[in-house]
Amino acid sequence: EAGVTQSPTHLIKTRGQQVTLRCSPISGHTSVYWYQQALGLGLQFLLWYDEGEERNRGNFPPRFSGRQFPNYSSELNVNALELEDSALYLCASSPSGGSADTQYFGPGTRLTVL
Amino acid sequence: AQTVTQSQPEMSVQEAETVTLSCTYDTSESNYYLFWYKQPPSRQMILVIRQEAYKQQNATENRFSVNFQKAAKSFSLKISDSQLGDTAMYFCASLRLGNQFYFGTGTSLTVIP
Repeated sequence: EAGVTQSPTHLIKTRGQQVTLRCSPISGHTSVYWYQQALGLGLQFLLWYDEGEERNRGNFPPRFSGRQFPNYSSELNVNALELEDSALYLCASSPSGGSADTQYFGPGTRLTVL
Repeated sequence: AQTVTQSQPEMSVQEAETVTLSCTYDTSESNYYLFWYKQPPSRQMILVIRQEAYKQQNATENRFSVNFQKAAKSFSLKISDSQLGDTAMYFCASLRLGNQFYFGTGTSLTVIP
């Protein structure tokens, strides 16, 4: 069974640009979570999608947005990039959002903003 | 909202020794779940162990066990017979039904040969 996949692996952008990160959950999983892991700050919750709907979002500005597609894959969009957006962005999936299922993480996308 | 606190940013342990990582959490829920995740230097986060709050028995997975103190809202991870491959960042997390995970800030564990 394939795990959670994310693309791209690495990304370098400049301030003000826009970026799209992609995540494919484990087959059969309907919930997708996005986290930002900046150096020394642990995991900061960004967004949670389940069955195509946004269930919750963390304390991030509106330039962080996303969506979930009918096949449950997801995109994270970040507009007007700032230097402090440099981080590892992790995606995780779980079988469903209403249960106590374990999250399974992808390898992450390393975003560098210059 | 739930909060999860890991008060030990860094720890080290000699190979083959035992180490305990601390975690406290704050929730008003009676039904919730607790997790320890491990993130090795290669970055992929993996589940170490999971505990259901309604179960009094502490969860155990091979060399990994937890000390779950519900009244004190404490959920520590004990690693026995530490191995070099245990070197990683460890995250404690809580989950209540219908909500997202809440993660602590992590403890960086180094196993010294």
